[in-house]
Amino acid sequence: NAGVTQTPKFQVLKTGQSMTLQCAQDMNHNSMYWYRQDPGMGLRLIYYSASEGTTDKGEVPNGYNVSRLNKREFSLRLESAAPSQTSVYFCASSEKSGGFNEQFFGPGTRLTVL
Amino acid sequence: DAKTTQPNSMESNEEEPVHLPCNHSTISGTDYIHWYRQLPSQGPEYVIHGLTSNVNNRMASLAIAEDRKSSTLILHRATLRDAAVYYCILRVGYTPLVFGKGTRLSVIA
Repeated sequence: NAGVTQTPKFQVLKTGQSMTLQCAQDMNHNSMYWYRQDPGMGLRLIYYSASEGTTDKGEVPNGYNVSRLNKREFSLRLESAAPSQTSVYFCASSEKSGGFNEQFFGPGTRLTVL
Repeated sequence: DAKTTQPNSMESNEEEPVHLPCNHSTISGTDYIHWYRQLPSQGPEYVIHGLTSNVNNRMASLAIAEDRKSSTLILHRATLRDAAVYYCILRVGYTPLVFGKGTRLSVIA
């Protein structure tokens, strides 16, 4: 099993450009999550999908959109990138969203917006 | 949201036990205590979790105070590979995990 995979690993954008970060999991998990991590900080939740067909905002959703394409895939889109969105983005999945649930994280995408 | 307080950093010698503290004085009765760690340049990984009783697994032990207002993650013999940021997290109801800044553990050879 590959676990949680993310593409791309690195990306440099200019202000105003758009891009989509891709995430896929092969563990048949119901719930998926997108976090961002700024230097020296903990992870902050952007959006999550408790199950296929549902999405909810997290702590910092402004400037982002998400799509739960199917049970395996959860994408994060930046419509008009800003320097404040320079960060490392992590995707995660878990069997379900409540109670005890181990979350499995991908390796991250390092995004720089110039 | 229930919050946790952890020291910013700690240091340990290799092959010695490490006790990482976490205060969570506003914990509610149904909150699970989760610990994750993040190795350099990687995503976080699960370490251990508990509700009321002490817990052991192959990675670590979790000691939970009787009043549940604090807990301690115990690494029995620290290795260089245990150098990481350790996050103590409370699960509030059915909301996703909320990460704080964690404790940066340095292990000295």
